[in-house]
Amino acid sequence: GAGVSQSPSNKVTEKGKDVELRCDPISGHTALYWYRQSLGQGLEFLIYFQGNSAPDKSGLPSDRFSAERTGGSVSTLTIQRTQQEDSAVYLCASSLSRQWATNEKLFFGSGTQLSVL
Amino acid sequence: GQQVMQIPQYQHVQEGEDFTTYCNSSTTLSNIQWYKQRPGGHPVFLIQLVKSGEVKKQKRLTFQFGEAKKNSSLHITATQTTDVGTYFCAGSGNQFYFGTGTSLTVIP
Repeated sequence: GAGVSQSPSNKVTEKGKDVELRCDPISGHTALYWYRQSLGQGLEFLIYFQGNSAPDKSGLPSDRFSAERTGGSVSTLTIQRTQQEDSAVYLCASSLSRQWATNEKLFFGSGTQLSVL
Repeated sequence: GQQVMQIPQYQHVQEGEDFTTYCNSSTTLSNIQWYKQRPGGHPVFLIQLVKSGEVKKQKRLTFQFGEAKKNSSLHITATQTTDVGTYFCAGSGNQFYFGTGTSLTVIP
């Protein structure tokens, strides 16, 4: 696609429910990142996928959070038994590859605003 | 773990004044990138610095990478209302470590 697409753009859920957030990266981008941004705060790294390698899950805040990336393209971030502190904007970004020496900038989606009531 | 801090956290300036945000890393960075996030928007890439002591300019924006590659700065000359937003630096390691961001408000 022309850009990184995320859905839904907004999600309101009740505490204790599970939610799934979807990210469709730019076609051909092998690297995919999930970040969380609370209101007025910075970007908190969650998880990183690169090609067929095992994902870097070091940023996931608890075992309620998981993510997968099917076929090296679309990714789904799942939050189980949501809590009010999970309320935030969840941003997905992709880049061509994980070659830090080159100009591999991140392209961000518009994010999913998650509200847990 | 690696930490990237930015100061100040907030900055209010009168239109036409200059603005600077500073980025400091606890470890040496391979390179550093800068992003801008408009209110209600998502981060958008501005620039990448790779070499020690590198300086790059984009119109009124000047980006510097420190000699030790542990700090960086973004300077905006004669701010305009279109400069409003949050500016993030991001240093490379195992993944992108984003700074805490500086929120810029420009008062017309």
